Amino acid sequence: DTGVSQDPRHKITKRGQNVTFRCDPISEHNRLYWYRQTLGQGPEFLTYFQNEAQLEKSRLLSDRFSAERPKGSFSTLEIQRTEQGDSAMYLCASSLPTDGGYTFGSGTRLTVV
Amino acid sequence: AQSVSQHNHHVILSEAASLELGCNYSYGGTVNLFWYVQYPGQHLQLLLKYFSGDPLVKGIKGFEAEFIKSKFSFNLRKPSVQWSDTAEYLCAVSPSGGYNKLIFGAGTRLAVHP
Repeated sequence: DTGVSQDPRHKITKRGQNVTFRCDPISEHNRLYWYRQTLGQGPEFLTYFQNEAQLEKSRLLSDRFSAERPKGSFSTLEIQRTEQGDSAMYLCASSLPTDGGYTFGSGTRLTVV
Repeated sequence: AQSVSQHNHHVILSEAASLELGCNYSYGGTVNLFWYVQYPGQHLQLLLKYFSGDPLVKGIKGFEAEFIKSKFSFNLRKPSVQWSDTAEYLCAVSPSGGYNKLIFGAGTRLAVHP
C-alpha cells in the first residue's frame, strides 16, 4: 500500500472518447502532482495543486486535458477526445510543501486504440 | 530549459559488482536532487534525496549519492549490488525554494545477474 491511490489501474479506450482518472493522495499531503510516463522515458510533469489551487500547468497539458482538485483532497485528470499519442502511464504523487519526498501512486495505464 | 541526463540507459552487472549511475542536470540555480527506484511491477520509491549540507547522501538499501556542484552531477553508487537491485533508477531535480515539479531523467535499467 503506497498511500497514494489511483483508479483505474488500466484503461483501454477508443480514439475520440473521453476518459477520467482519479487520484487519492496521502491525507495530510496538501500538494498533489500529475505526471505522464511513456515507454523508455522518465515521468514528465503535467500539473500540480496546493490544496484546491492549481499552481502550475505544463505546456504538455493541451486544451484536451483538464485537472481538478475541488476540495483539496482527491484529484481528477480528464482527457477529452483521446488520441493514440495519449497512450501512457499517468502517475499521481503527493507531498507536503516543506518536504520534497514525493510519494507516488502505482499509476493508471491508458491505451488508446 | 531545465533537463536531467542519465548517461546509461541499460546496465548489466553481476552480483557483488560495484555500481555507479551517472546523473547530470542543467539548471543554474539551487536545486534539490533525488534518486527514485522502480522495481518490476511496483510504484516509484524514493531512494535518497539531497537538499543541502553534506554532499554525500546515504539512502536506503546501501545506496549513496554524491552531489558535485561544479559538475552539476548527482551520481548514484552502491559498493556491492544484489540480484534484488534489478530495477529502473531515475534521477530527478526540483528547483529549490519550492517543492514543486520534479524533472526526471530518462532512467537507467539495471539488471543484476546472480
